Amino acid sequence: GAVVSQHPSRVICKSGTSVKIECRSLDFQATTMFWYRQFPKQSLMLMATSNEGSKATYEQGVEKDKFLINHASLTLSTLTVTSAHPEDSSFYICSTRKGQAGELFFGEGSRLTVL
Amino acid sequence: KQEVTQIPAALSVPEGENLVLNCSFTDSAIYNLQWFRQDPGKGLTSLLLIQSSQREQTSGRLNASLDKSSGRSTLYIAASQPGDSATYLCAAIYYGQNFVFGPGTRLSVLP
Repeated sequence: GAVVSQHPSRVICKSGTSVKIECRSLDFQATTMFWYRQFPKQSLMLMATSNEGSKATYEQGVEKDKFLINHASLTLSTLTVTSAHPEDSSFYICSTRKGQAGELFFGEGSRLTVL
Repeated sequence: KQEVTQIPAALSVPEGENLVLNCSFTDSAIYNLQWFRQDPGKGLTSLLLIQSSQREQTSGRLNASLDKSSGRSTLYIAASQPGDSATYLCAAIYYGQNFVFGPGTRLSVLP
């Protein structure tokens, strides 16, 4: 099956710094990738849809200047948390899918802790 | 509004029991229904994908069924094991970019 690789799995940073998380589709070209945030014991919250070669589509309430998404190639999307603050600490997960309504595949997730 | 609910929210069973997890969706025009497992601090692992034209899918001790007309899917786990302990999520997948996740069922299988 398809494999999605996410890096880093854990990152600790100081308040005010920026952190980049990478999501790679290893088995197929992904024109669309999805970024989620997950709080403890809660389900996934879709943050944005990353589109290769165009601007990302953000969900309501998600600050696009805070969470910068770049999808420069068919296998790589990045999420940059800019000027991170402790409230940005969370578990971030990416996913991709085969086709318009195909199976969803998820990365391993990235645990961000902002001190 | 497209919504997905899962019942129960949490479940604790002794090892060896057969169990059923339920997933309900409000918009029956789904394209696929997918079940996932999530271990603490990890991403989601795909368990089963049921296409809208299918009634069920099986993988090992897992069997998932789909009834579009009633807006329900069930995940059946046979002979549960402690290693099955995790959160199980279902996702209703619609054509285009739209998919909706349920809140999950936290399963604990006691040895």
